[in-house]
Amino acid sequence: GAVVSQHPSRVICKSGTSVKIECRSLDFQATTMFWYRQFPKQSLMLMATSNEGSKATYEQGVEKDKFLINHASLTLSTLTVTSAHPEDSSFYICSPGRGNTEAFFGQGTRLTVV
Amino acid sequence: KNEVEQSPQNLTAQEGEFITINCSYSVGISALHWLQQHPGGGIVSLFMLSSGKKKHGRLIATINIQEKHSSLHITASHPRDSAVYICAVSGNQFYFGTGTSLTVIP
Repeated sequence: GAVVSQHPSRVICKSGTSVKIECRSLDFQATTMFWYRQFPKQSLMLMATSNEGSKATYEQGVEKDKFLINHASLTLSTLTVTSAHPEDSSFYICSPGRGNTEAFFGQGTRLTVV
Repeated sequence: KNEVEQSPQNLTAQEGEFITINCSYSVGISALHWLQQHPGGGIVSLFMLSSGKKKHGRLIATINIQEKHSSLHITASHPRDSAVYICAVSGNQFYFGTGTSLTVIP
């Protein structure tokens, strides 16, 4: 199966700081990357869809200026949580879009904002 | 109402028991996925199916397109099967169920 590498797996940061999460597709080119957020005991919620070389598409209620997404290459997409607040503490996970094929996910990033 | 509904939410079984997790969906789909999420958070794809039935080891997944329903079965359950099992459907985008937390007791 496809290999998706997401870093860091865990991060603790202070309120007001920014955190960057990287998602790399190691053995294929991902023109599309989905970014999800998962709160405890809840399902994955799509935050945004990034497309290589163009602006990301954000879901309703997700602040594009707070969650900066960059998809500069076919193998790397990044999510930056800017001016993080405790309510941003969550599990963030990426998944490359490969059309109607098997779903693959990064290992996820557990963000804790203190 | 969620596009994907799973039941049960929580399930505890004795080792060796036969387990069934159900999933119903309300949107048009191109495929249905069963995923396994481990305690650390990592998600692994177990099955992708658009019709009929698939089997992989002790895991069996079935789907009824007309009834918009799928089931995941685990035969001879084992403690290492303890995880959260998530049903997801894909069409224009992915929709995820809230997951079924399975605990298999030795």
